[in-house]
Amino acid sequence: AQSVTQLGSHVSVSEGALVLLRCNYSSSVPPYLFWYVQYPNQGLQLLLKYTTGATLVKGINGFEAEFKKSETSFHLTKPSAHMSDAAEYFCAVSASGGSYIPTFGRGTSLIVHP
Amino acid sequence: ETGVTQSPTHLIKTRGQQVTLRCSSQSGHNTVSWYQQALGQGPQFIFQYYREEENGRGNFPPRFSGLQFPNYSSELNVNALELDDSALYLCASSSDRVNTEAFFGQGTRLTVV
Repeated sequence: AQSVTQLGSHVSVSEGALVLLRCNYSSSVPPYLFWYVQYPNQGLQLLLKYTTGATLVKGINGFEAEFKKSETSFHLTKPSAHMSDAAEYFCAVSASGGSYIPTFGRGTSLIVHP
Repeated sequence: ETGVTQSPTHLIKTRGQQVTLRCSSQSGHNTVSWYQQALGQGPQFIFQYYREEENGRGNFPPRFSGLQFPNYSSELNVNALELDDSALYLCASSSDRVNTEAFFGQGTRLTVV
């Protein structure tokens, strides 16, 4: 079984401030981990993913995430928020060596203030 | 632009009716997955097709069914619609079975009244 917990349904930051969106997962096998972004009335766009190898993963739009096995975490960060980053963000886990069906978290809404 | 298109974009149906949603995947993508996203929730996996065969199913009743065609298109059919079926339905395609990079369509907003 696998699950994802996203801490905080809403995160509010000022433009230019650090963005930190938290994601913890559980998986009985080595996980594949993903972050997606969803803008209003649109589908999901992949920001970044971890499958194997380097634990610090860089994605699009200046986002990065670090896989920490000991903490079962995959937090998403961006050094400086931009107004265009305001959106819904979803963390997802799938089980390597298994069915690879992803389980999504409930999402975190990122609000960026001018 | 992900190359994955869904139709229609919006749909209103009456409880008890049947609905068919359509998805056109990227050329060469053999895997298509369907998700239900209720308001304020994350996507919930419905099922996945690989080379026209179902190869994974989430916790959805049999009235949710699907088809995948050789031309990279697919369908989601829902019979006996219930009010709780109101949601955004997302289609995602991938070039591999492990979904290491899935491309999502914009979704179909289904409202059941």
